Amino acid sequence: KNEVEQSPQNLTAQEGEFITINCSYSVGISALHWLQQHPGGGIVSLFMLSSGKKKHGRLIATINIQEKHSSLHITASHPRDSAVYICAVNNNNDMRFGAGTRLTVKP
Amino acid sequence: NAGVTQTPKFHILKIGQSMTLQCTQDMNHNYMYWYRQDPGMGLKLIYYSVGAGITDKGEVPNGYNVSRSTTEDFPLRLELAAPSQTSVYFCASRWTWDYGYTFGSGTRLTVV
Repeated sequence: KNEVEQSPQNLTAQEGEFITINCSYSVGISALHWLQQHPGGGIVSLFMLSSGKKKHGRLIATINIQEKHSSLHITASHPRDSAVYICAVNNNNDMRFGAGTRLTVKP
Repeated sequence: NAGVTQTPKFHILKIGQSMTLQCTQDMNHNYMYWYRQDPGMGLKLIYYSVGAGITDKGEVPNGYNVSRSTTEDFPLRLELAAPSQTSVYFCASRWTWDYGYTFGSGTRLTVV
């Protein structure tokens, strides 16, 4: 069993829909990261959080340390949000990555 | 700022050959990392460095070597390339372990 599990693996939505991507982990962590990888391959760091909730534009990330679970929400989704979203957890320099959730937003 | 720069972007290597993937950052970040990404799999840590002169193995170090002679540069060396090293390689950096990452654009390497 992977230490970081993401669901769903693939997600297709219509433009404007509210999106939720989930991440569960089984190891102790000091922080959790959400990353975005576009079709061209580049990876961008979206959030790093160790508790509570963070918001940036239409993106919201939450984490529940007790339940070892995090969610990434996208409000009013847009085709440009189409990408692979990756959850990663770290404990100092030990980093573990989920396999990613491929999101496709259709116009 | 250029951020994290990786070269080359693409390369085809023959079995048994060696090569160096270059990674340079201009943000004065202490921490640098090399990851590989295989289809359908999460990123795997190959090697990392917490500062010039200091390197350590990650999850999948076999077949690779690194050096960190300066803060800016963290090259990844592949010795005696094997088909199993066909992958996309990402270099990343951050200020310290509790900061967010900046990734390079990746190197797609094929070993034939």
